[in-house]
Amino acid sequence: EPEVTQTPSHQVTQMGQEVILRCVPISNHLYFYWYRQILGQKVEFLVSFYNNEISEKSEIFDDQFSVERPDGSNFTLKIRSTKLEDSAMYFCASSRDRVDEQYFGPGTRLTVT
Amino acid sequence: KNEVEQSPQNLTAQEGEFITINCSYSVGISALHWLQQHPGGGIVSLFMLSSGKKKHGRLIATINIQEKHSSLHITASHPRDSAVYICAVVMDSNYQLIWGAGTKLIIKP
Repeated sequence: EPEVTQTPSHQVTQMGQEVILRCVPISNHLYFYWYRQILGQKVEFLVSFYNNEISEKSEIFDDQFSVERPDGSNFTLKIRSTKLEDSAMYFCASSRDRVDEQYFGPGTRLTVT
Repeated sequence: KNEVEQSPQNLTAQEGEFITINCSYSVGISALHWLQQHPGGGIVSLFMLSSGKKKHGRLIATINIQEKHSSLHITASHPRDSAVYICAVVMDSNYQLIWGAGTKLIIKP
């Protein structure tokens, strides 16, 4: 069964450093998403991506965040200058259509020290 | 103000019991998702529905669009059903998925 994969599973970085979180969505899916979950809190929408551009983004997704689909398979989330409050689990998801079941990756736990 | 409210926050039951988790929302939606999050953090989609009722195995999800309410039922609950169950809605204004805080379910043998 196809699945969404994410790398790395855990990333530790120092405040102010840039990080890139990687995701490989399901191959025939067209919509891609990033979510974050701060420990003990609910999951929050960050951004959706379709046809090589951002289709929606939340207030959380400010100028320090960017997303890219550099090739036909990877979907990346870049945080330019990490802050302590960026520490969270980041989930990637993909779906065939805009309103459709979403398939989630296992998450990347980002720890900013 | 939370657009998506779930109840109860925590639920402990004995194996075999019938479980109901409720979700109310205050925004216009295109669809509603029920998801399961395991202790390790992984998220699995259980249902997506925009009207009526769906059933998959021992799980049943219903939605009442007029009342802005959905329920997730688990029949013949089992310890392996222990997880956090999350309701999330697709807002019809921008298609963002807005998540509830989740219901932590523990099924005791």
